[in-house]
Amino acid sequence: DAGVTQSPTHLIKTRGQQVTLRCSPKSGHDTVSWYQQALGQGPQFIFQYYEEEERQRGNFPDRFSGHQFPNYSSELNVNALLLGDSALYLCASSLVKGLTSEAFFGQGTRLTVV
Amino acid sequence: AQKVTQAQTEISVVEKEDVTLDCVYETRDTTYYLFWYKQPPSGELVFLIRRNSFDEQNEISGRYSWNFQKSTSSFNFTITASQVVDSAVYFCALSGGNTDKLIFGTGTRLQVFP
Repeated sequence: DAGVTQSPTHLIKTRGQQVTLRCSPKSGHDTVSWYQQALGQGPQFIFQYYEEEERQRGNFPDRFSGHQFPNYSSELNVNALLLGDSALYLCASSLVKGLTSEAFFGQGTRLTVV
Repeated sequence: AQKVTQAQTEISVVEKEDVTLDCVYETRDTTYYLFWYKQPPSGELVFLIRRNSFDEQNEISGRYSWNFQKSTSSFNFTITASQVVDSAVYFCALSGGNTDKLIFGTGTRLQVFP
């Protein structure tokens, strides 16, 4: 049973460019959340997708957008990249069941903006 | 506002020592969940435990144990007889209210030396 998979594992982009990160949830999961983890910090919630719609959003600018596909996989898009966007981006999947969802995380995509 | 504080930035122990990782949380929600995750160098967050706010029973799983005290808003994690493989960054997290997004602490880096 495959867990949460993310691609690519590493990425280097230039300031001002756009990037797309991808996530396939654990089999049987229908909800995908994205987190940003800066070096030495805890993960920060970006947003969550369920039934192909953004369900919750953290305190991130509109440059951060996402999408969920009918097969529950998801993309995170970041426009107009800033140096401060350099971080580990983690995807978590869960099964919506009230407030008891246990999130499974992927290994992340390490984005470096130069 | 919700907040998780992990005051210990880094802990170093020698193998077979017991070690306790502290976690203090703040929330106004009456129903909430507390979590511990382990992050090895590979980057993936590994789920360790989830507790709900109505269950203050301590829990033991092998060498791991958790002490949840609502009176002090703490959810501490103890590793008994630590091993080199326990070396990682450990995160405490909180979710509550009408959301299942995770609020993470800044993490505690545990180094276990042989």
